[in-house]
Amino acid sequence: AQRVTQPEKLLSVFKGAPVELKCNYSYSGSPELFWYVQYSRQRLQLLLRHISRESIKGFTADLNKGETSFHLKKPFAQEEDSAMYYCALKEGGGYNKLIFGAGTRLAVHP
Amino acid sequence: NAGVTQTPKFRVLKTGQSMTLLCAQDMNHEYMYWYRQDPGMGLRLIHYSVGEGTTAKGEVPDGYNVSRLKKQNFLLGLESAAPSQTSVYFCASRGQGRDIQYFGAGTRLSVL
Repeated sequence: AQRVTQPEKLLSVFKGAPVELKCNYSYSGSPELFWYVQYSRQRLQLLLRHISRESIKGFTADLNKGETSFHLKKPFAQEEDSAMYYCALKEGGGYNKLIFGAGTRLAVHP
Repeated sequence: NAGVTQTPKFRVLKTGQSMTLLCAQDMNHEYMYWYRQDPGMGLRLIHYSVGEGTTAKGEVPDGYNVSRLKKQNFLLGLESAAPSQTSVYFCASRGQGRDIQYFGAGTRLSVL
């Protein structure tokens, strides 16, 4: 079964600390994974996707097929990073349906 | 450029009432999706559409109906609302051959 697991509901860190939001997936083929972010009072938006291998707002995510993980990392958290983060897996079949994890709320304290 | 617009933003219904949520996109996207967001469960796909005049069931379609009569609009209907349908509803759209889904601001629905 295709599934996305985000084991942490809440991750609380202090400003300047490193951040790692965990995402594990279950998928039989070659996965395509995304991180979406929802800031307070804003709509859900794409943060990054694994195929582009980019760094957005200091965040990076590496696909580890051996561990079936796509963890989101940032070396130094900022208060403005506080938000809800969702990991998503593109479902096979051609309609680009996304399977979302339950989400992790990141709270960065001053 | 409005992107994806959802109306209404908030609604309170009584059990058994009906209502329609409207999603409109101005990006000429082929694909449109309706999700519900519940605490601890992330976003779950209700229905989706791959083009004007087409609709298909997602993960949690029961109790909902949809229509895509015009390419830019995707309507989500609740015929007889139940308290279990209390949720935040998000619409999204995507262009042909593109990976990124663009989301609306959401509709917060409470069913009493």
